[in-house]
Amino acid sequence: TQLLEQSPQFLSIQEGENLTVYCNSSSVFSSLQWYRQEPGEGPVLLVTVVTGGEVKKLKRLTFQFGDARKDSSLHITAAQPGDTGLYLCAGASNDYKLSFGAGTTVTVRA
Amino acid sequence: DAGVIQSPRHEVTEMGQEVTLRCKPISGHDYLFWYRQTMMRGLELLIYFNNNVPIDDSGMPEDRFSAKMPNASFSTLKIQPSEPRDSAVYFCASSSLMGLGNTDTQYFGPGTRLTVL
Repeated sequence: TQLLEQSPQFLSIQEGENLTVYCNSSSVFSSLQWYRQEPGEGPVLLVTVVTGGEVKKLKRLTFQFGDARKDSSLHITAAQPGDTGLYLCAGASNDYKLSFGAGTTVTVRA
Repeated sequence: DAGVIQSPRHEVTEMGQEVTLRCKPISGHDYLFWYRQTMMRGLELLIYFNNNVPIDDSGMPEDRFSAKMPNASFSTLKIQPSEPRDSAVYFCASSSLMGLGNTDTQYFGPGTRLTVL
């Protein structure tokens, strides 16, 4: 059983459209991270959110941490083919270990 | 910096054989993590080290799995004997600091794709 549930599992959109990926849990985390993984490579950290209600922007990507620090969302505006990949959320507990969600596979069609 | 280096990138072996996966962390990083990724279970933490000492191995699935870190620049994950259900991508990651209530960046290697026939 995953501590973190990601939805949707798969997402296929046209270039220029917007998308949102969700990461939910019944557990409280000290921080939450989002990673992107491309085929044949390891995950690469995009952002870390720490404070409940925090919103961080990274160019066209907007990350939000829920007020209760149990959930998070990733919103991509005007998606591009380069945004294609597996998006993983990971929650950090007080023992510093990361628990990963199963991931959302995003495909942006040109 | 070359990043985290893993070898081999691909390994195909037969059931019952011993498999050794290798990792060189980023120089100066004092935390090293081993993960396993499968379609069914996603990315799972197997074990992590701090200053070459194993801190938490609760994710190691069975006694067939063992990990060592003889020095700051090298770690191995060994499976003996290997089984088909061990087929997965194994990632090594390293980090420089684990702040209280926070999580520092873990840098992942490219992974080793293991196939056990």
